[in-house]
Amino acid sequence: AQKVTQAQTEISVVEKEDVTLDCVYETRDTTYYLFWYKQPPSGELVFLIRRNSFDEQNEISGRYSWNFQKSTSSFNFTITASQVVDSAVYFCALVNYGQNFVFGPGTRLSVLP
Amino acid sequence: DVKVTQSSRYLVKRTGEKVFLECVQDMDHENMFWYRQDPGLGLRLIYFSYDVKMKEKGDIPEGYSVSREKKERFSLILESASTNQTSMYLCASSPPGTSGADTQYFGPGTRLTVL
Repeated sequence: AQKVTQAQTEISVVEKEDVTLDCVYETRDTTYYLFWYKQPPSGELVFLIRRNSFDEQNEISGRYSWNFQKSTSSFNFTITASQVVDSAVYFCALVNYGQNFVFGPGTRLSVLP
Repeated sequence: DVKVTQSSRYLVKRTGEKVFLECVQDMDHENMFWYRQDPGLGLRLIYFSYDVKMKEKGDIPEGYSVSREKKERFSLILESASTNQTSMYLCASSPPGTSGADTQYFGPGTRLTVL
């Protein structure tokens, strides 16, 4: 069975702090994809990143970075120098090849001014 | 930009009413999905469709049905709304890719309250 765990239900940080959101997944497949989505207060999930299981390179996009470690089945997301606009619920998702998305429960991030 | 729109942001209905939630996408995507989002549970797939007039059950289809008469439109129907269907409903669409895991693009959601 596939499963995604986001152990942090809620995180609060002060602006400009760095914050890491954890994502641990379970799957028996060797081919799979991992996603991160952001859900701001407006409600719409915004796509952030898609990574396949054969690409373990870390990725950086501006203040966002992702650390993919197959050895620990983790795909963690770090925001550097957080801003108030980063306040949102963040979802990690797992997709096995040709199957449907499995979402984690989400982590609510609050960035305080 | 991909645009997925949902007919209502907020909806209040009474127990037993028939409820229609509409979703429209403008990117000619073949695939469309309906999820419900509840605190602590993330998003759970209700139904999905890979083509016009085609539908597949997701993880929690009980109490729901869907309709896809046109490619751009995917409707979720609650035949007889119940209070346990109070939730946020999210529609998504994705292109017909070959990767086996195409990015889904989401609408703004409909927060449904059933009294």
